[in-house]
Amino acid sequence: NAGVMQNPRHLVRRRGQEARLRCSPMKGHSHVYWYRQLPEEGLKFMVYLQKENIIDESGMPKERFSAEFPKEGPSILRIQQVVRGDSAAYFCASSPSRGPGANVLTFGAGSRLTVL
Amino acid sequence: AQRVTQPEKLLSVFKGAPVELKCNYSYSGSPELFWYVQYSRQRLQLLLRHISRESIKGFTADLNKGETSFHLKKPFAQEEDSAMYYCALSGGSGGYQKVTFGTGTKLQVIP
Repeated sequence: NAGVMQNPRHLVRRRGQEARLRCSPMKGHSHVYWYRQLPEEGLKFMVYLQKENIIDESGMPKERFSAEFPKEGPSILRIQQVVRGDSAAYFCASSPSRGPGANVLTFGAGSRLTVL
Repeated sequence: AQRVTQPEKLLSVFKGAPVELKCNYSYSGSPELFWYVQYSRQRLQLLLRHISRESIKGFTADLNKGETSFHLKKPFAQEEDSAMYYCALSGGSGGYQKVTFGTGTKLQVIP
């Protein structure tokens, strides 16, 4: 079991470009979370998804940011028209939908976005 | 709404000294509380959860519903405990449990 896989690990974009971050959850996990970590700050919740369903996106900026978790394939966090303030580490975590581990998150290594 | 507060950004202690990392929460229902740890150049990982009531690497945490706290404690700090510690709360309804993290406390153990 490869755990939670995130790619790319590092992404550099110029202002105005699009950034796409991918997350493959652990095998058997159907819930995905995205968090953002700004330099010297903690983890800020962005969005919580189940396959083909956004459960809670209250932490996601209303503009330029979107997330999906399709029936097949990884979850994708998409940032359009990036700005310098989007530079951060983006962490994905997954959990099973039920059972004793349902609330326990397994994290990926993160994707570090740098906007020039 | 659910909220987790970790008042200290940085906590420095000497090796062998006791450690207490503070965590307070706000949630209207019955939450589940966790501590996660991130060692240097490693992924964030679960340290312990309140329902397990176990000690991991010498750390314990007791849920105090009256004070809405879940402080992390260790009687004698070791250098390898230096890391970033996050308190987290899981709560929700309808079968969906959103996990909210505090801003984290960096523990620095001085040799």
